Amino acid sequence: DTEVTQTPKHLVMGMTNKKSLKCEQHMGHRAMYWYKQKAKKPPELMFVYSYEKLSINESVPSRFSPECPNSSLLNLHLHALQPEDSALYLCASSGEGGEQFFGPGTRLTVL
Amino acid sequence: AQKITQTQPGMFVQEKEAVTLDCTYDTSDQSYGLFWYKQPSSGEMIFLIYQGSYDEQNATEGRYSLNFQKARKSANLVISASQLGDSAMYFCAMSLPDGGATNKLIFGTGTLLAVQP
Repeated sequence: DTEVTQTPKHLVMGMTNKKSLKCEQHMGHRAMYWYKQKAKKPPELMFVYSYEKLSINESVPSRFSPECPNSSLLNLHLHALQPEDSALYLCASSGEGGEQFFGPGTRLTVL
Repeated sequence: AQKITQTQPGMFVQEKEAVTLDCTYDTSDQSYGLFWYKQPSSGEMIFLIYQGSYDEQNATEGRYSLNFQKARKSANLVISASQLGDSAMYFCAMSLPDGGATNKLIFGTGTLLAVQP
């Protein structure tokens, strides 16, 4: 199984809502990543988890809160977002070979 | 500083022809990896091909080949026999191992490829 899954596919939320994005992989990868991608731009790294521990936080605002409940799951909790946070949120995982495999993404719209 | 440069914002190619997408990189590290990803309009980033800095042979995966010229710090992607389904954004990326289990990816700005019938 070389698949990374993400739910939901689309999400519309208000600035006062609390929502979560979910990511799952069953490739035995020990590194998982969250990226944010604006239209026509490359992905920007947000967080990296290594062996279920947060190893990199790229100075992301605290309204984004990552969580890694186990080695297969990665969540991104969202609270009090701003309209400029609307973007495609991509999850990825990597194994020893280094290739990062991406999920299909969640298209987030903040109203 | 580590950097990936893709100088072609957009490219056109006729169906069944070959196309080369340019990528140059800058790093002082000796150990690094180079990747190409395809991103259709649906959004998913699809891994295409990988080249390690110590690999002497150019990587190939089906219709994709990576023209790796280490001295020139270039890693161009060649797509042979283009198909309409190849129309997408293509990102070149470089990974820098951090000594642990993770690899931080640095992306170029992308090249939007349009395959014309």
